[in-house]
Amino acid sequence: DGGITQSPKYLFRKEGQNVTLSCEQNLNHDAMYWYRQDPGQGLRLIYYSQIVNDFQKGDIAEGYSVSREKKESFPLTVTSAQKNPTAFYLCASSVPRGFGNIQYFGAGTRLSVL
Amino acid sequence: QKEVEQNSGPLSVPEGAIASLNCTYSDRGSQSFFWYRQYSGKSPELIMSIYSNGDKEDGRFTAQLNKASQYVSLLIRDSQPSDSATYLCALLMKTSYDKVIFGPGTSLSVIP
Repeated sequence: DGGITQSPKYLFRKEGQNVTLSCEQNLNHDAMYWYRQDPGQGLRLIYYSQIVNDFQKGDIAEGYSVSREKKESFPLTVTSAQKNPTAFYLCASSVPRGFGNIQYFGAGTRLSVL
Repeated sequence: QKEVEQNSGPLSVPEGAIASLNCTYSDRGSQSFFWYRQYSGKSPELIMSIYSNGDKEDGRFTAQLNKASQYVSLLIRDSQPSDSATYLCALLMKTSYDKVIFGPGTSLSVIP
């Protein structure tokens, strides 16, 4: 089945620790995104990538880093510089603009601070 | 003004009634609009997309778009308890990349 796989489902971070959230897609989409969702709020864009080896900062990139070495993979690292990392993290990929830019989401990773 | 605004709710409707969800936006250049449904603790899933002024129907769902008024709505007919969720309005902004802006969502509760 085609889709987006995020792992782990739950993640706990200790103070001063970097953690990496995995996102893998087999939809053959070029564009991939990372969003953060806090309770009662909409999705805020952290990073996006339109093609392999290229990515851009979104609205709240501070304290986060990404890589895009393969089309299928777009991992997100939450660094120790992110002082309030507790949130629901969603990875998405999309079809091109000409086809409506419909975004498909993974199941999400819920990150908490120990 | 926020880019996409929605009433946070909760909106409560009895089973079988019509639920009406509203969304306003500020970017006049936006051309594509989406409604996503998000169950508690789950990821959003697309239920409707609309690109032209007017109505678009899909089963029990009807999306309405009025670009002049910068207004998008979603009607759910014959509401079911399984429709209870948060509904996110989203739009595609005309930028150098495909930037989708999400509203804060409206919580819908369908009462049996």
